[in-house]
Amino acid sequence: DTAVSQTPKYLVTQMGNDKSIKCEQNLGHDTMYWYKQDSKKFLKIMFSYNNKELIINETVPNRFSPKSPDKAHLNLHINSLELGDSAVYFCASSQMTVNTEAFFGQGTRLTVV
Amino acid sequence: QQQVKQSPQSLIVQKGGISIINCAYENTAFDYFPWYQQFPGKGPALLIAIRPDVSEKKEGRFTISFNKSAKQFSLHIMDSQPGDSATYFCAATSSGSARQLTFGSGTQLTVLP
Repeated sequence: DTAVSQTPKYLVTQMGNDKSIKCEQNLGHDTMYWYKQDSKKFLKIMFSYNNKELIINETVPNRFSPKSPDKAHLNLHINSLELGDSAVYFCASSQMTVNTEAFFGQGTRLTVV
Repeated sequence: QQQVKQSPQSLIVQKGGISIINCAYENTAFDYFPWYQQFPGKGPALLIAIRPDVSEKKEGRFTISFNKSAKQFSLHIMDSQPGDSATYFCAATSSGSARQLTFGSGTQLTVLP
């Protein structure tokens, strides 16, 4: 069983479109995250979501909005896609204690054309 | 401002050699320092982690050395193997940030057969 699963794995779309990436974890973790990995492989936190508390990285444009229907799911919705949004997006989950591993999904490669 | 600085950007080692990757951090609130390994097309996976009250942690061929006063930590891979070829990320986190990971910029390790 996949611990953290994301769909789709690849997403190609035109500028200006709205798209969503779905994430599900079956680990029973209480916190989920979205990370962005750019073309230079730099990984940066976008959001964390714990018990309905959302922590947003201040550099994330408000076109990006996380939506969590329940503790096991954290989806990422992106409005008005721009060329610069092209990247690999990783969902992750962990339990909010020290020494707890964060498990990552396999990533969604988003290409905006 | 990059809170975790990682070097080198790339590293080429002969099979059987020692690979060393260094990281330095700025935020003294960080209390957990994991290393992640990422293969192409995959999400990062936890390799080994350390807390600042420990100066060294060893798991198999992988060792973390931690210097709290210098705010530096490093990953040593002994007897490096071609299968170790991957991108390695140091990271840091604190309880005050919902355990969001702040990543270093990554090191592309190539182990030659």
